[in-house]
This record gives sequence, structure tokens and C-alpha cells, in this order.
Amino acid sequence: AQKVTQAQTEISVVEKEDVTLDCVYETRDTTYYLFWYKQPPSGELVFLIRRNSFDEQNEISGRYSWNFQKSTSSFNFTITASQVVDSAVYFCALSEAPDDYKLSFGAGTTVTVRA
Amino acid sequence: DSGVTQTPKHLITATGQRVTLRCSPRSGDLSVYWYQQSLDQGLQFLIQYYNGEERAKGNILERFSAQQFPDLHSELNLSSLELGDSALYFCASSVDLRGHRQFFGPGTRLTVL
Repeated sequence: AQKVTQAQTEISVVEKEDVTLDCVYETRDTTYYLFWYKQPPSGELVFLIRRNSFDEQNEISGRYSWNFQKSTSSFNFTITASQVVDSAVYFCALSEAPDDYKLSFGAGTTVTVRA
Repeated sequence: DSGVTQTPKHLITATGQRVTLRCSPRSGDLSVYWYQQSLDQGLQFLIQYYNGEERAKGNILERFSAQQFPDLHSELNLSSLELGDSALYFCASSVDLRGHRQFFGPGTRLTVL
């Protein structure tokens, strides 16, 4: 069973629009971590954020913000005032103690920001 | 720069061949993870080592094997290669087993012809 679901396959926006990427996860563990990674066209995986299961505070980092809701098992990511450099594939991932914290990735959402 | 190095960056080989991918973790990191990214399977976990010992296995084929050496670098061996093994192989390292951030290397792009 898929542990992380990113229902949006592709999102295309015009520069300066906001874009929200959805992530829904599934776990029976009480201690787990959620991550977002960005994969630009160059191919490397760039770490964006790590959040533990006990910290439901939303977080903002520049134009990026994250909304963690345990009640709905969601960890959504918003890019505000998108820029062309934000064009990339974004992955949500889950790590759990019983799996020695290996990362289970979602399928990824391709974001294209048009000038 | 994540501090994780992977060699080679690109590898082109033929079906039936064997290749070795190498990973050097960040200084001080004891845990090494291998992931495969392919078009049909997405990003999936292959295998994990911690301080030289295998800790977890994911969807790793029997034709694939890995090891972590005393200096903590790791190698992923892929044998009897098939066209479907063409993928981007990532190595990641983290300081321990407690869910800390995994730092990813730049990946090795394997093309099997």
C-alpha cells in the first residue's frame, strides 16, 4: 500500500501565482517524520523541510510554507508568489521507526512556473 | 553540496553486464541508504546500512547487492543487468537511525542498452 500519496501529478502556474501541493500519508506509528524534497531539472534531491509527528506547528520559510494536520494525515506545501526557478518535481516523504526511518516517497508533483 | 559523493555520475553499459556504484557518506554519518528512481517505479528504497551492517531491505532485486566498508563508504553492485534497471541511483546518508535528515548525493545515472 502506498504510504504517501501526492494526488497532483502536474501543476502549471503563471509566475507570481501561489501553488499548493498536497500530501497525504498513512502510518500506524506515533513517532514519524515527514519531509519535502525538491528535484530540479538538474536531478539532485534538495531537502526543504523535516517535521516530526509531535510538532503540528505550521512553518514558513521565505516563500515556502507547510501545513501539517495530523487529523487528516496531511502535510501540504505552499509556494507563495511562485518564480520560474521553482519549476521542479516536489516529493513528499515519510520515515517511520519500524522501518529504521527509511524514506517512503510519494510519486511527486511536477510544478511548472511559466513566465 | 550535501557532502555525499557518488561515482560515477553516468554509466552506460550493456544488458547482462555488472556494475558497481560507489557512495561516500558525509563525514560522521553512520547510516547509508540506497534509492532507485525510475520512470515506472518512482523513488524507492533499496537497502540501508548502519555502521557496516545491513539494517533494512526494500524492493531490491536478488541481482543487486550492497555493502558498507569499515571506512563507511558503500557500494551497490548490480549484476545481470536488464534494460529495466536503467535508472537514477541515489545514495543518502544520515547521522544515525533516528529519523534525522537524509543528505542525498548527486546520483548515478545508469543506462543499460
